[in-house]
Amino acid sequence: EPEVTQTPSHQVTQMGQEVILRCVPISNHLYFYWYRQILGQKVEFLVSFYNNEISEKSEIFDDQFSVERPDGSNFTLKIRSTKLEDSAMYFCANRQTNYGYTFGSGTRLTVV
Amino acid sequence: DQQVKQNSPSLSVQEGRISILNCDYTNSMFDYFLWYKKYPAEGPTFLISISSIKDKNEDGRFTVFLNKSAKHLSLHIVPSQPGDSAVYFCAASEPGNNRKLIWGLGTSLAVNP
Repeated sequence: EPEVTQTPSHQVTQMGQEVILRCVPISNHLYFYWYRQILGQKVEFLVSFYNNEISEKSEIFDDQFSVERPDGSNFTLKIRSTKLEDSAMYFCANRQTNYGYTFGSGTRLTVV
Repeated sequence: DQQVKQNSPSLSVQEGRISILNCDYTNSMFDYFLWYKKYPAEGPTFLISISSIKDKNEDGRFTVFLNKSAKHLSLHIVPSQPGDSAVYFCAASEPGNNRKLIWGLGTSLAVNP
């Protein structure tokens, strides 16, 4: 069964540093998403990406965040200057034209 | 803003019995509902879904019921197995191409042998 692969599985970074979270999506999927889950809280939508551009973003997705598909395959989430409150599990997800999402196993980001 | 609520943080059932996980929503625009299962250190795994035009969808041991008038859905697992022990998330989406998911807090299910 096709998988969504996320790297790294765990990233520890100092406050103020830039981090890039990487995702290798399923090749024939059209819609790409980033979600995050802060410990003990709900899974939250961050951003959706379709046809090589952002189609929707949440209030969380401020100027510190950006997404790219630099080589047409990898899908990255960049946080320019991390804050303590960015510590969370970040999930990449893909979707075809139907409703089914496939999620990656997540990257645990710890900002210290 | 709790558009999707799972009011039971945990549930414990005996192996072989029925597990019933509940979910309530407030947004009447939601037209598609999904249940995901999550193990520690893994991403959510799709389990079953239901469109708002239906009131029941069944897949093997898993059945989802939707009561639109009550804005309530439930996931039934029967018979429950120890391998079903996980966190179960209810999620919903509105019409449109984007289909972002709005999530509940999850219910941790423990199935005891």
